[in-house]
Amino acid sequence: AQTVTQSQPEMSVQEAETVTLSCTYDTSESDYYLFWYKQPPSRQMILVIRQEAYKQQNATENRFSVNFQKAAKSFSLKISDSQLGDAAMYFCAYMDSNYQLIWGAGTKLIIKP
Amino acid sequence: DVKVTQSSRYLVKRTGEKVFLECVQDMDHENMFWYRQDPGLGLRLIYFSYDVKMKEKGDIPEGYSVSREKKERFSLILESASTNQTSMYLCASTKTYRQTQYFGPGTRLLVL
Repeated sequence: AQTVTQSQPEMSVQEAETVTLSCTYDTSESDYYLFWYKQPPSRQMILVIRQEAYKQQNATENRFSVNFQKAAKSFSLKISDSQLGDAAMYFCAYMDSNYQLIWGAGTKLIIKP
Repeated sequence: DVKVTQSSRYLVKRTGEKVFLECVQDMDHENMFWYRQDPGLGLRLIYFSYDVKMKEKGDIPEGYSVSREKKERFSLILESASTNQTSMYLCASTKTYRQTQYFGPGTRLLVL
């Protein structure tokens, strides 16, 4: 069975600096999707970024980018120029061949002003 | 913008009560999901539905049932609430399985 591991329960970063959240997953499949979702305090879960496994190019969305290492089964999220509004729980998720999302435990990101 | 709403943000129920959690989406999405979110465990899928009146069990269906009588509405039912069902419940929807899931604001349920 596939698993998703986020080894950092909590991370903190100074405002305007860069932070990287780690995610590893275990699968024997070759075609899949990976996602990073953000859940701000008391607000809705929203998609940050997604990556198709067949694409070699790392996905980017403004200040958010991923480092996708397929062979290493690693999918880290880099947030550049951190802002106070980036404070949230960040979840890594893997979509399997049945299109079900398998979620990591989450990383709480704290932004220090 | 896709909008997914959930009937309550907070609920307090007693052990043994029947509990209804309702989710409504306004974007004509075929697929709807109920998740349970607990600290340190991420999200776990309870049930999902890919069409009206259709439902499939997720990873943790025990103690729960669902109903989808209309395309836009997906209800989660706790037949006899227990304290171990105290949790955050999230509803999500998507047009096709490979697309992004859109989430509701969540219902924080406390069972006493």
